[in-house]
This record gives sequence, structure tokens and C-alpha cells, in this order.
Amino acid sequence: AQSVTQLDSHVSVSEGTPVLLRCNYSSSYSPSLFWYVQHPNKGLQLLLKYTSAATLVKGINGFEAEFKKSETSFHLTKPSAHMSDAAEYFCVVVKTSYDKVIFGPGTSLSVIP
Amino acid sequence: ETGVTQTPRHLVMGMTNKKSLKCEQHLGHNAMYWYKQSAKKPLELMFVYNFKEQTENNSVPSRFSPECPNSSHLFLHLHTLQPEDSALYLCASSQDGLGADTQYFGPGTRLTVL
Repeated sequence: AQSVTQLDSHVSVSEGTPVLLRCNYSSSYSPSLFWYVQHPNKGLQLLLKYTSAATLVKGINGFEAEFKKSETSFHLTKPSAHMSDAAEYFCVVVKTSYDKVIFGPGTSLSVIP
Repeated sequence: ETGVTQTPRHLVMGMTNKKSLKCEQHLGHNAMYWYKQSAKKPLELMFVYNFKEQTENNSVPSRFSPECPNSSHLFLHLHTLQPEDSALYLCASSQDGLGADTQYFGPGTRLTVL
């Protein structure tokens, strides 16, 4: 069975410092991986996705993530946090195109002025 | 956000009420989804519709009844709910219902069951 683990339920960073949100998955195959963001009182929005092309994926708002098969990880990073980045972030794994989507429990990111 | 709309945004209902949640997508997608988002729990997929046909029902209690009259509209009919059903209900759509498709989410309906 596939699963996804987000190692930190809450991350707090200062504005202008780097952001690292960790995600590990378990899957027998090379899955498709996504990061979604949810701002307060809003629906989820796709940040980026990996579907077996380049292992370093660039997304919106300066975020990027690197697929590391040997570590079964897909960590989300951003060089410099902005106040508007404060939100809930979800890592998502799909084993194959015909499998259901599995959401991680989420990481809440706080950005301190 | 105008791609997928949900109404109402907030709903308070008693356990004996009957109400419906509505979702509409303006993206020309063929698949629509209902999710339940409870505090401190991962997002739970409830139902999937692909080309108006239900393709997934994740053991959801019968007090939740989905309806998909066409590819653009999705309803969730609610009756005799329990307080533990209080949550944010999110609707999403994607092009073809494949796992690797990007899903586009509505803002959700915040449901409170008294």
C-alpha cells in the first residue's frame, strides 16, 4: 500500500529565510507526486507536480521540490519566505495514473515578520 | 477560484435536517470529487464521478448522498447527520479522473452539525 508522511505538522520561519517542508512516501512504483497549498478559508491549489520527468520540479511562487527515489522523498523548498506563504501544505502521492490520490496530513507553515 | 464554485460557503444544520451542498465547475472537466476535511486529519476522498458516473465511493455512510446530473455540477445531499460530520467539504474537478491529473478545488463549504 502506498502512503505519504509529512514529517512536521507545523513549521515556523522568519520572513526572508529559507523554507523546507518535508515529505516522504512509500510506494512500490515511481509515483506521481504533488504539493498543494491551502490558504485560510480557501480551497487547495496546486503548487507543483512530479510525473517522471525532471527530478527537480519548479512550481509557482518560487517553490520547488526535488524527487529523490533513493530516499523516497519529495521535500518542498523556497529560498526566501514571504508573509503570504503562511498556509497549510499538503504532499500528495499517486502510484499510477489509475490509482487514487493519497493526501498527507499537512504541514502548517507560519511566517514570522 | 472562479473555476470551481461551491455553495453555500457556510451551513449550520440540526441532526434531523435535510440540506444539499452544490458544486459547479467552469473548466470543462470530466471528473468531479467530494472530499471531507476535518481538523487534525488528512483529507478524505468521499466520492468520484467521471463523465457523470460514480467511480469511487470510499465507504461513505448513506446519510451522504451524491448526485451528478452533468459533468459541470455535483451535489452532496445530507440527511440525519451526526455532530462528527461537522467539517469542511471540498469539491474538486480534473480533466479526466486520472490520478496524475491536477485537481482544481473549490473554496469549500464549512458544515456545522448541531
